[in-house]
Amino acid sequence: GAVVSQHPSRVICKSGTSVKIECRSLDFQATTMFWYRQFPKQSLMLMATSNEGSKATYEQGVEKDKFLINHASLTLSTLTVTSAHPEDSSFYICSAYPPGLAGYEQYFGPGTRLTVT
Amino acid sequence: AQTVTQSQPEMSVQEAETVTLSCTYDTSESDYYLFWYKQPPSRQMILVIRQEAYKQQNATENRFSVNFQKAAKSFSLKISDSQLGDAAMYFCAYRHQSGTYKYIFGTGTRLKVLA
Repeated sequence: GAVVSQHPSRVICKSGTSVKIECRSLDFQATTMFWYRQFPKQSLMLMATSNEGSKATYEQGVEKDKFLINHASLTLSTLTVTSAHPEDSSFYICSAYPPGLAGYEQYFGPGTRLTVT
Repeated sequence: AQTVTQSQPEMSVQEAETVTLSCTYDTSESDYYLFWYKQPPSRQMILVIRQEAYKQQNATENRFSVNFQKAAKSFSLKISDSQLGDAAMYFCAYRHQSGTYKYIFGTGTRLKVLA
């Protein structure tokens, strides 16, 4: 099946610094990827839709200047958390659709746990 | 706007028994997909089963089956012969047939399997 990876799996950064999370589709090209945020014991909250070669579409309430998304190639989307603060600590998950299977399910990465100290 | 509701925050089932997780949704669309995802402690989202709204037949995947009631906008998941490895968070998800392909997730149900 289609595989999506994320790097790093865990990251700790100091308050005020920026951190980049990568999402890669390993065996397929993905024109569309999604970024989610998940707090403990809660559901996944969609942050933005990442489209290759164009600007990301952010959900209402998500700060686009804080959560920078770049989808520069058909296999890579990045999420950069700028000027991170402790409240940005969370579990971030990406997903992607394999082409030709857009009528079906998203494939999810394993997630990245961000801790801001 | 579409919504997905999972009214059971937590469920327990005895090993080898059967349990049903509930999901209801609200949409004005006629063509859409519904999914059940499992999220074990590793946090990796795993597809359990999917249902196309245009199909009347309920989807089945081994011990997992759904009861899809389109008119009632209900999509419950039945797990038969429950195993310890079934313990996880279960999320119900909805998406349009076309468009942005975004998911709308329910709030999740934590399933505990008792030995």
